[in-house]
Amino acid sequence: GDSVTQMEGPVTLSEEAFLTINCTYTATGYPSLFWYVQYPGEGLQLLLKATKADDKGSNKGFEATYRKETTSFHLEKGSVQVSDSAVYFCALSASGSGAGSYQLTFGKGTKLSVIP
Amino acid sequence: NAGVTQTPKFQVLKTGQSMTLQCAQDMNHEYMSWYRQDPGMGLRLIHYSVGAGITDQGEVPNGYNVSRSTTEDFPLRLLSAAPSQTSVYFCASSSSGAGNYGYTFGSGTRLTVV
Repeated sequence: GDSVTQMEGPVTLSEEAFLTINCTYTATGYPSLFWYVQYPGEGLQLLLKATKADDKGSNKGFEATYRKETTSFHLEKGSVQVSDSAVYFCALSASGSGAGSYQLTFGKGTKLSVIP
Repeated sequence: NAGVTQTPKFQVLKTGQSMTLQCAQDMNHEYMSWYRQDPGMGLRLIHYSVGAGITDQGEVPNGYNVSRSTTEDFPLRLLSAAPSQTSVYFCASSSSGAGNYGYTFGSGTRLTVV
């Protein structure tokens, strides 16, 4: 079945450092790919998405590019802030119109802490 | 501008008790889902619905029931609570499945079963 693997955390960075969180996936066809962010005590918020190969999703300074050849969707940010401290989840939904397209398959999450 | 509303936010149950976690959305979304979040496990799908009157099982459905009598509401029932059901539960909704727009999540219900 479909699966998502993302780098284990926690990740601790100093403010203004460069961030990369790796995410790779296993799925048939062309799934849609997502990054969600969860701030302490809150639900998940959609951070960015990409629905086809070579698409780049971007939001709030974060970027991720859908790489079909490497089945990857790595999250990057050039300069992190303390306010970016959160748990980040990579997720996919299957292509097509079947049950898999209604569901999100999540990675285990990566906790990011940014220190001043 | 409520989005997805979950109640209660916190709950403690004794083993064997039953309860219903409430979920309501005001965005007229067709698709709704329940996930549980456990440390080191990410989120796992419990049940989902593609419209009123239509529900199906996800990855971890055992011990849970759902129904969808209206577009707005999608309650999750724990039939006989067990310590293994201690978790944070999230309800989510979407207008067209996960692929196009992703899901909008509620703020969660933290459940402890003792």
